[in-house]
Amino acid sequence: SQQGEEDPQALSIQEGENATMNCSYKTSINNLQWYRQNSGRGLVHLILIRSNEREKHSGRLRVTLDTSKKSSSLLITASRAADTASYFCATNSNYQLIWGAGTKLIIKP
Amino acid sequence: SAVISQKPSRDICQRGTSLTIQCQVDSQVTMMFWYRQQPGQSLTLIATANQGSEATYESGFVIDKFPISRPNLTFSTLTVSNMSPEDSSIYLCSVGPDPGQPQHFGDGTRLSIL
Repeated sequence: SQQGEEDPQALSIQEGENATMNCSYKTSINNLQWYRQNSGRGLVHLILIRSNEREKHSGRLRVTLDTSKKSSSLLITASRAADTASYFCATNSNYQLIWGAGTKLIIKP
Repeated sequence: SAVISQKPSRDICQRGTSLTIQCQVDSQVTMMFWYRQQPGQSLTLIATANQGSEATYESGFVIDKFPISRPNLTFSTLTVSNMSPEDSSIYLCSVGPDPGQPQHFGDGTRLSIL
């Protein structure tokens, strides 16, 4: 069953702008993960944030987690055309990954 | 991180036939996972395949429809049996240390049923 709800479903921005995607979930979690899926390819793990962490950075990625609101956000700064992809959050609850519906991000040159 | 090769990358099949998808990993892994991703949708876990034991299927998926083999620690197959157009999806295998930790994915098999 899907736990994560992501918004927006689709996002189109100009290259160089920042992109923010949100993920909400329903039950308590051990960790939350973000993945990227390029068209026609498998998923690539981007970042994991544990339930006791509030913020994590990796290169141009910044993830926040608010367990009181059961939500997370993924910020991609200075977007590039290569960032065009679908982004999924996945929550680890009871040692299973529950996947969100995904945000389709398009970076316009 | 593990490199996963999945075959075939895509196929077009006739209704009522079966297709076996192969997943080869370049290192030994304990847990392998099979997912289905319907067009424009998120991932749904079909089953977890551990070497030396029967696969564990998720609700809504049965062994008769999706038999899985896991003969060793680097290889697994998923068969989609008696296919219908509703089975048209991307099928993905992944590996990870346990179900809740980061997983590494193959590129998937894009399956279309006519």
